[in-house]
Amino acid sequence: EDKVVQSPLSLVVHEGDTVTLNCSYEVTNFRSLLWYKQEKKAPTFLFMLTSSGIEKKSGRLSSILDKKELSSILNITATQTGDSAIYLCAVEEGYGGATNKLIFGTGTLLAVQP
Amino acid sequence: EAGVTQFPSHSVIEKGQTVTLRCDPISGHDNLYWYRRVMGKEIKFLLHFVKESKQDESGMPNNRFLAERTGGTYSTLKVQPAELEDSGVYFCASSPYRAGTEAFFGQGTRLTVV
Repeated sequence: EDKVVQSPLSLVVHEGDTVTLNCSYEVTNFRSLLWYKQEKKAPTFLFMLTSSGIEKKSGRLSSILDKKELSSILNITATQTGDSAIYLCAVEEGYGGATNKLIFGTGTLLAVQP
Repeated sequence: EAGVTQFPSHSVIEKGQTVTLRCDPISGHDNLYWYRRVMGKEIKFLLHFVKESKQDESGMPNNRFLAERTGGTYSTLKVQPAELEDSGVYFCASSPYRAGTEAFFGQGTRLTVV
């Protein structure tokens, strides 16, 4: 059965710390890996990764995919209280076409203390 | 541009009753997805529409769940009759029918069956 596993399940850090969130997957028909941030309600998109070894960056956030190890990491540097959220990793799977059936991990709950 | 809108945001119903959830996708998005998060578990795929056609309904738990997308615009998800285990957060997401694009999520409908 296809699955996505995230670690740690939860994390408490202080402002200014750097954090690394992990995601590993076993998905038969892998197409891409996505990271979402969920603060209160709607998950909001962070990154989509399709190629191994190419880092994607957005401000203090960055992510990279390792297809050999079937994993991805999400790094957040100089954390702020506004980074507190659930971070979701999802793998898009499918045979073709333009679809986004996602298999989610349980998420990592990040709490950034002042 | 309006995002994905879901209604209601919260519904509390008694076991055996019927509930209908509504999702308005982003205008022009042909792909529409329903997902569900049961407490303590990961977000799981329910089904996928391309315009008004059901592309994949492999995640629908049983025949008490009926999804429609008449005219290829908004979608409804009806649960009839509701059971206690149907409680959870139901998310809708949409995306353009174009490879390499992420899905945009609504804020979810929290369904509580008592």
